[in-house]
Amino acid sequence: QKEVEQDPGPLSVPEGAIVSLNCTYSNSAFQYFMWYRQYSRKGPELLMYTYSSGNKEDGRFTAQVDKSSKYISLFIRDSQPSDSATYLCAMSGRGGGTSYGKLTFGQGTILTVHP
Amino acid sequence: GAGVSQSPSNKVTEKGKDVELRCDPISGHTALYWYRQSLGQGLEFLIYFQGNSAPDKSGLPSDRFSAERTGGSVSTLTIQRTQQEDSAVYLCASSFPVNYGYTFGSGTRLTVV
Repeated sequence: QKEVEQDPGPLSVPEGAIVSLNCTYSNSAFQYFMWYRQYSRKGPELLMYTYSSGNKEDGRFTAQVDKSSKYISLFIRDSQPSDSATYLCAMSGRGGGTSYGKLTFGQGTILTVHP
Repeated sequence: GAGVSQSPSNKVTEKGKDVELRCDPISGHTALYWYRQSLGQGLEFLIYFQGNSAPDKSGLPSDRFSAERTGGSVSTLTIQRTQQEDSAVYLCASSFPVNYGYTFGSGTRLTVV
């Protein structure tokens, strides 16, 4: 079983829809949670960064972390065709040690928003 | 520089040849990471540098893979005697400080024929 599980999709929604992307994980040491967006033939770019449990909002994007359930989500409101990309969740454990800063990624969800 | 720069952007090589992939991190970023992304797969960790030392090289898949970093800046990933299963996109990322998310380069797309 992988440490981080993410439904690869693909997910296709109409413009303006609310999109929900999710990841589950098994390592209780994970404390830092991130969402990356990756366009075709580009490197991933950081979208959202959260520490421990809770919600964080940035414009049309909301990230939620539920550590008790080992479950994280990214919501995209009023989705746009320009949001079409692969979305990757990533997480890492406490600081210190030789693996400090190493991220473990989900497989990525392919999202298409059609006009 | 303004971002993480990787070269070459594309590399086609014959099976059995050696290849070198280069990464120029963002100036001042002390942490540097190499990941590999295969078709339809997530990112697979290869190696982590803090300065010039590599405290975690646990992701290197075999002894054909090696990496170094000099001057706390540029890093080179070397794959010896390439195999077809080495075909993937090799991504480099840097950060300062760690655990605040990385900045990735656009990657090197390696094809072994």
